[in-house]
Amino acid sequence: DQQVKQNSPSLSVQEGRISILNCDYTNSMFDYFLWYKKYPAEGPTFLISISSIKDKNEDGRFTVFLNKSAKHLSLHIVPSQPGDSAVYFCAGFTGNQFYFGTGTSLTVIP
Amino acid sequence: DTGVSQDPRHKITKRGQNVTFRCDPISEHNRLYWYRQTLGQGPEFLTYFQNEAQLEKSRLLSDRFSAERPKGSFSTLEIQRTEQGDSAMYLCASSFQGSNSPLHFGNGTRLTVT
Repeated sequence: DQQVKQNSPSLSVQEGRISILNCDYTNSMFDYFLWYKKYPAEGPTFLISISSIKDKNEDGRFTVFLNKSAKHLSLHIVPSQPGDSAVYFCAGFTGNQFYFGTGTSLTVIP
Repeated sequence: DTGVSQDPRHKITKRGQNVTFRCDPISEHNRLYWYRQTLGQGPEFLTYFQNEAQLEKSRLLSDRFSAERPKGSFSTLEIQRTEQGDSAMYLCASSFQGSNSPLHFGNGTRLTVT
């Protein structure tokens, strides 16, 4: 049962433009949501999170938006940089467990 | 370096052998998680500890898998009688107890069963 879904396996964006990564979830009990970035041969690195009671959280170039009625969240990266090229995972947390999506591979083209 | 540390980074073993992985979490964190990740998938929950108590195990965790955290610090994950389907990246992560506390992952142990 995939409770968190990332339907786009890959995304390519020009350097300087906005990257938008999307995530859908089915479990309305999630307390908060997280985004992780993963480079090859490394573990996922925490990027940004958002509580289920908020609809937006911003940290530098990264902004996460939460639409609870649509059970949808998105990560905006502005401006995109080549170093942002990585696999991005969204996750939801409830009941002491984190549930991860399958990831979106972002390529930022210089 | 005070991050999560995993050892070994890579392990190649023959089918039927036993393997053991170690994880040293961030010292202030009382929660420790084990995940498995295969190509094209996100991390898949295996089990988690709060201090030394193993509080939850995935139903996907067969009886060939066992995890311990004897003193509430480091943890070990053992796989007995390995099968080719066990080939994956095994990730350890730690966090504080409480809401809005993110997981911090190690760099994983890549297991290859031949």
